[in-house]
Amino acid sequence: EAGVAQSPRYKIIEKRQSVAFWCNPISGHATLYWYQQILGQGPKLLIQFQNNGVVDDSQLPKDRFSAERLKGVDSTLKIQPAKLEDSAVYLCASSPTIRDRDVYEQYFGPGTRLTVT
Amino acid sequence: QKEVEQNSGPLSVPEGAIASLNCTYSDRVSQSFFWYRQYSGKSPELIMSIYSNGDKEDGRFTAQLNKASQYVSLLIRDSQPSDSATYLCAVNYRPNSNSGYALNFGKGTSLLVTP
Repeated sequence: EAGVAQSPRYKIIEKRQSVAFWCNPISGHATLYWYQQILGQGPKLLIQFQNNGVVDDSQLPKDRFSAERLKGVDSTLKIQPAKLEDSAVYLCASSPTIRDRDVYEQYFGPGTRLTVT
Repeated sequence: QKEVEQNSGPLSVPEGAIASLNCTYSDRVSQSFFWYRQYSGKSPELIMSIYSNGDKEDGRFTAQLNKASQYVSLLIRDSQPSDSATYLCAVNYRPNSNSGYALNFGKGTSLLVTP
């Protein structure tokens, strides 16, 4: 079974530029997550989709970040304009579904390392 | 936001010893608990999940959960140099009353297994 795919793997941009990341989850996984991981910290949830609907985006800086999941499969995360503090690894994860009480295990893609100069 | 606390380490153990990693959490309603391993420059890899009080064993790994004490631990028996990594504890939570559940991660404990 193929894992979560992400691209690009690395990106270097200047502040105020825009950037987009792409994620393809594990086949059949209804739930998709975008996390931001700053060096030395654990992943921080940015946005969560179930199928093509947003479940939670309370920690997404909406003035500069946006995300969509068209057709309930692939997803893109965009930053416009980027700031120096956006330098981090952006991780995509997927899980089979969300039950009422529990969270199924999440499986992570390789991540995109973003450097903003 | 609810907290997940881990000692950042580094925790250094000799090869063949038992490594003990600990995690505490603040949200009493959490029901699902996970341990992820993250090698330097790589993404987190799920190694254990636990939902009920007690112990759960998988190979050299044992997860322990005590909901009354809000405490989760991971034991690694016969530690190998290849186990050297950062271990992330993750606990489920509900971001808001209208949302489903998500995972809240600790900052991770760095483990170094010395030959």
